[in-house]
Amino acid sequence: SQQGEEDPQALSIQEGENATMNCSYKTSINNLQWYRQNSGRGLVHLILIRSNEREKHSGRLRVTLDTSKKSSSLLITASRAADTASYFCATAFDSGYSTLTFGKGTMLLVSP
Amino acid sequence: DAGITQSPRHKVTETGTPVTLRCHQTENHRYMYWYRQDPGHGLRLIHYSYGVKDTDKGEVSDGYSVSRSKTEDFLLTLESATSSQTSVYFCAISGDYEETQYFGPGTRLLVL
Repeated sequence: SQQGEEDPQALSIQEGENATMNCSYKTSINNLQWYRQNSGRGLVHLILIRSNEREKHSGRLRVTLDTSKKSSSLLITASRAADTASYFCATAFDSGYSTLTFGKGTMLLVSP
Repeated sequence: DAGITQSPRHKVTETGTPVTLRCHQTENHRYMYWYRQDPGHGLRLIHYSYGVKDTDKGEVSDGYSVSRSKTEDFLLTLESATSSQTSVYFCAISGDYEETQYFGPGTRLLVL
């Protein structure tokens, strides 16, 4: 069964607005990662947050992790039409090499 | 796309026929993965490899086999394709002590 579950399944916003996606997982993890997938393409890694970290930033991306609630959120600030894509969280149980378990994804549509 | 190619990119086949998908990398990465992506299920791990001739099963391995005779190639075989194996198949790679994965462009497989 899926380890991560994203919420909402779909999100539609206007350019310039912020987009927030959430991910919940079931068991203890070593790290949690977010990936983006543009339509018809492969996934692209965005950001990784470790279990001992609470918040991480990368450009317009902000990720938080709450291990007590087994949840993470991805915030995209000042969204652009080019941010339109599906976003997936993925969890890893171990450090270094580990298989990833992906959620079902959030489809984000940013309208001009 | 991190030096990963998949072939073929599109394939239509009939139920009961064998199918082999190829993943080729030029990064000399140790780890290679096969996923399938289906609506409502996100990405699910089929098989993975942690070295030449070293492979293991993932979450949805039934009906699939893999082989890795060279570092750069990871083959996924459907011995007798079924309609339930209609999907988009992604290959991914990661290096030693590398926690993120890099994805290929995907192969769309339709089993009639």
